[in-house]
Amino acid sequence: GAVVSQHPSWVICKSGTSVKIECRSLDFQATTMFWYRQFPKQSLMLMATSNEGSKATYEQGVEKDKFLINHASLTLSTLTVTSAHPEDSSFYICSASIRTGDGSPLHFGNGTRLTVT
Amino acid sequence: LAKTTQPISMDSYEGQEVNITCSHNNIATNDYITWYQQFPSQGPRFIIQGYKTKVTNEVASLFIPADRKSSTLSLPRVSLSDTAVYYCLVVRDSWGKFQFGAGTQVVVTP
Repeated sequence: GAVVSQHPSWVICKSGTSVKIECRSLDFQATTMFWYRQFPKQSLMLMATSNEGSKATYEQGVEKDKFLINHASLTLSTLTVTSAHPEDSSFYICSASIRTGDGSPLHFGNGTRLTVT
Repeated sequence: LAKTTQPISMDSYEGQEVNITCSHNNIATNDYITWYQQFPSQGPRFIIQGYKTKVTNEVASLFIPADRKSSTLSLPRVSLSDTAVYYCLVVRDSWGKFQFGAGTQVVVTP
C-alpha cells in the first residue's frame, strides 16, 4: 500500500532556532499533501494544504511566515518551523493523497515530535 | 464541510463487538464517510470508507443508512490492540480536505 515517510520522528531544538520536517511519499506521487498539528489529548488540527509547484494554503490562524511549507516535487513536502518557541512543541503529522477530488483516503506519516526548550 | 459528532469514549471487553456511531447531519451529496484509527504518537491509519449502505473489509464494517446523516463503524471481536482513538471524517470529493473531529477513545480490557 501507499507509504508516507516522515523525518525526523522526533527533534529537540532550542528556542529561536528553526526546524525542518520532511514528508515523502515513497511509492506514489502526491500532488497534494496536508500538514497537521496535534497537541496532547487533542485531535489533529489541519495547518495547511501543500500543492506541488504552488504556494501552500494555510488554515485560519496558522502563521504562514512561521510555518514555511515547500512542496518542490511530487514526492516531497517540507515544513519548517521558524524561530521555534516552547509553545510550538507539538506532534506534527503530514499526509498525502494519491488523488484529491474523489474522497480517496489520505495516507499519513508517523509524525514528528517537536520539543522546543 | 459537514461537522461530525461521535462519543468521546467507549469501553469494551476483549472479544466483544464495538459499534461507534457518528452523526453528520449536514452531509452533502458528494461527501464520503471515512474512518481512521490512531495509536498514541503515531499517524492515523485508514480503516474504511463508504458512501452508502454497507461496506466491509478485513478489519471493520461501515453501516450507512439511506439518509446518510449518520454512520456506524463496527469492529468485530476486539482485542487489546484495538485500544485507540477512532475518527469519523466526512470528506468532500471536490476539495479533498480532511478535517478531524474529536474522535472516540476506545479502551479494550481483558
